[in-house]
Amino acid sequence: QLQLQESGPGLVKPSETLSLTCTVSGASISSSNYYWGWIRQPPGKGLEWIGDIFYTGTTYSNPSLRSRVTISVDTSKNQFSLNLSSVTAADTAIYYCARRITIFGVALLNWGQGTLVTVSS
Amino acid sequence: QSVLTQPPSASGTPGQRVTISCSGSTSNIGNNYVYWYQHLPGTAPKLLIYRNHQRPSGVSDRFSGSKSGTSASLAISGLRSEDEADYYCAAWDDSLSGYYVFGTGTKVTVL
Repeated sequence: QLQLQESGPGLVKPSETLSLTCTVSGASISSSNYYWGWIRQPPGKGLEWIGDIFYTGTTYSNPSLRSRVTISVDTSKNQFSLNLSSVTAADTAIYYCARRITIFGVALLNWGQGTLVTVSS
Repeated sequence: QSVLTQPPSASGTPGQRVTISCSGSTSNIGNNYVYWYQHLPGTAPKLLIYRNHQRPSGVSDRFSGSKSGTSASLAISGLRSEDEADYYCAAWDDSLSGYYVFGTGTKVTVL
């Protein structure tokens, strides 16, 4: 059974880099059928897609965050990661990792439970 | 700021049918599939509809999706108390090198 688990610091200082990792179990991150991505939800606001990555390293990202976002994949650990640089309070959010299944189009079928990241000094 | 617009709220009594609209443009809904997600507070979002009207295994047939031009809609029939949640449409947008965009979200209340 597929599981995605986010991990990383729950508190990040302004101007620093937010770093999260998603560990995948129950499926190979190297499959050609999936993309692996990040979505966030600021308090009281809606969902915002951050970006995703194919196991070969091909990435897509939200234009509004593109200059600050790096998504990477570690196939040996079956993990993928998010780095968001120069964070501000506006980056405080619940961060979810998710699997996009290409045979379903661009559907985000499987999600982690999410992790709250607060940006504060 | 999302390019897919939804009404902020919708409501109905148990057993009623509720419809949620999602308005976009040619670069997203007009040229690509629409997806719908249900999000209950404190839980992970759940995919309800993919490719405009398809339901993943395990999703109730009370949920149905449709698309016409640059707009889409989600209908919930036989409304139940457990349907009270936030609902988001989503689509790929072909502009700016391509990205996935969620709608503004609709809070459904069961009266």
